[in-house]
Amino acid sequence: DTGVSQDPRHKITKRGQNVTFRCDPISEHNRLYWYRQTLGQGPEFLTYFQNEAQLEKSRLLSDRFSAERPKGSFSTLEIQRTEQGDSAMYLCASSLGGTGKNGYTFGSGTRLTVV
Amino acid sequence: AQKITQTQPGMFVQEKEAVTLDCTYDTSDPSYGLFWYKQPSSGEMIFLIYQGSYDQQNATEGRYSLNFQKARKSANLVISASQLGDSAMYFCAPLGEGYGKLTFGQGTILTVHP
Repeated sequence: DTGVSQDPRHKITKRGQNVTFRCDPISEHNRLYWYRQTLGQGPEFLTYFQNEAQLEKSRLLSDRFSAERPKGSFSTLEIQRTEQGDSAMYLCASSLGGTGKNGYTFGSGTRLTVV
Repeated sequence: AQKITQTQPGMFVQEKEAVTLDCTYDTSDPSYGLFWYKQPSSGEMIFLIYQGSYDQQNATEGRYSLNFQKARKSANLVISASQLGDSAMYFCAPLGEGYGKLTFGQGTILTVHP
């Protein structure tokens, strides 16, 4: 297993455009998380899936953001009508269960720049 | 909501010496655990060490160890025999209330000098 994969690594988009990011978790992991990290800050939780069910969404996740995990495997995070404030690193993580050191593993992230 | 405090924005250490990175947290969840991650300039979050709330002993992983003081809600990371490759941002992250989400502190930038 190659770990958690995220695609693309970098994305530059014009304000107002829609973007979609993909995350492929470790295959046996049933939980998948999305975080956002702005410059100089720690990552902030956005949303969480257990298998295909989205069980929690942060208040940071405005109506322009939507995440899916259709078959309980990979996940997508879409941002509609991007704004400059959306510029950040978007990190995906997966785990087997939610506690303990059950391989809570992060991907390398997608760095979004909105111009 | 959880509050995580990493009071050292930046730390400097000489190669081969030990360094302690501080972390305190405020959580009402009795079943929490706590992670430390390293984030180099490339951006990936690298797992270093985990401490379970009910673990009887402080966690150790190679050169990394935790000085976990549950009553003080403190979980300081000790890196022994620092290496140049240890230069990075370090984050403390307790497990949040529900569903295993992590809440991160502001981080500490560690610079290892030769």
